Amino acid sequence: TQLLEQSPQFLSIQEGENLTVYCNSSSVFSSLQWYRQEPGEGPVLLVTVVTGGEVKKLKRLTFQFGDARKDSSLHITAAQPGDTGLYLCAGIRGTYKYIFGTGTRLKVLA
Amino acid sequence: ETGVTQSPTHLIKTRGQQVTLRCSSQSGHNTVSWYQQALGQGPQFIFQYYREEENGRGNFPPRFSGLQFPNYSSELNVNALELDDSALYLCASGGGGMYQETQYFGPGTRLLVL
Repeated sequence: TQLLEQSPQFLSIQEGENLTVYCNSSSVFSSLQWYRQEPGEGPVLLVTVVTGGEVKKLKRLTFQFGDARKDSSLHITAAQPGDTGLYLCAGIRGTYKYIFGTGTRLKVLA
Repeated sequence: ETGVTQSPTHLIKTRGQQVTLRCSSQSGHNTVSWYQQALGQGPQFIFQYYREEENGRGNFPPRFSGLQFPNYSSELNVNALELDDSALYLCASGGGGMYQETQYFGPGTRLLVL
């Protein structure tokens, strides 16, 4: 059972466009993380959000944790080809259990 | 570069065989987790070890087992391989952040079961 649904599944956009990826669940998480994974590599942590309603910015990436700590979004401004990859959200329950989302595969065309 | 390495990078086995995958964590990381990532999906949590003891497990059968060693290396063992075990297997070591939630992934071992 996949507890974290991401949308869209696939996204192909032109360089310079903006985009938003959503991560939704019916369950509450103590915190939520976003990762980017490139072919042949493991996921790399981008950010951890902990507080409901929290917004974090990492250069052109903006992450938001829902007020109820059940959902999150990732917004990328002025996407670049280097942003291409698989974006994964992961909800955390307790001290050790990570539940990953279904993933969003992003391709940014030059 | 996360400092987490895995071996082998690729492996081909046949149904019914057994396989051992290895992971070397960063020095000082007491936690290691193993994940299975099927093609086109997000990683699924298999189990976690903390100081050589299993302290959490996902929905995987007992034929998936592990070991963690004092030298920050660990193993994932899978017995009686099935076709559906074909996947990328990732290990992640814990950096011991405030919420014990910082984990660093290795590049993975891609297993193909024929």
